[in-house]
Amino acid sequence: EVVMTQSPATLSVSPGERVTLSCRASQSVRSNLAWYQQTPGQAPRLLIYAASTRATGIPARFSGSGSGTEFTLTISSLQSEDFAVYYCQQYSHWPPLTFGGGTKLEIK
Amino acid sequence: QVQLVQSGSELKKPGASVKVSCKASGYTFTTYAINWVRQAPGQGPEWMGWINTISGNPTYAQAFTGRFVFSLDTSVSTAYVQITSLEAEDTAIYYCARSSGELFLDYWGQGTLVTVSS
Repeated sequence: EVVMTQSPATLSVSPGERVTLSCRASQSVRSNLAWYQQTPGQAPRLLIYAASTRATGIPARFSGSGSGTEFTLTISSLQSEDFAVYYCQQYSHWPPLTFGGGTKLEIK
Repeated sequence: QVQLVQSGSELKKPGASVKVSCKASGYTFTTYAINWVRQAPGQGPEWMGWINTISGNPTYAQAFTGRFVFSLDTSVSTAYVQITSLEAEDTAIYYCARSSGELFLDYWGQGTLVTVSS
């Protein structure tokens, strides 16, 4: 099973700041990596797939990069609605699909 | 527009069974697989498995074999997960989510809270 590790667990940031979230895979997943955003009481929402492709309707301030075992999600200028929990997920080696433990963005 | 609408919350006693539904609309049901994801309170998502909507063939994650059964009714574009012999540890929100040939989950249902308590 591929273990996905996200860091940090929590990040305190101010609106307007640029933020970078990290995700590491225990073995290469090539570019088969997705990012999701989850706000309280809501289902996860797909942001990025294939490591760097924005999903339909996702604002350009969200960008993804990386391949192999190291990935990042960058939000260029945080908006109030971006304070949420972010998960990465690999779909290279399955079953099972595996998610990271999440990074929570908090308002500083 | 693509929608996955799930059945409502359930409160069950230990040892009982529950069946959660996921009705798809806005696309051709058989062109995408349906995945099931569990999220326990305060935890991250955990993939339970998926079902091929053409063949009806399910694939289960190892932790979800035995008491979990995925099924379909393609005539009403609906997928189901049945959980038997419920345990307190099954208390969670259960989501269905759509995927194409590559297993990223592009649309999700709103989730169904299953609470197991005596």
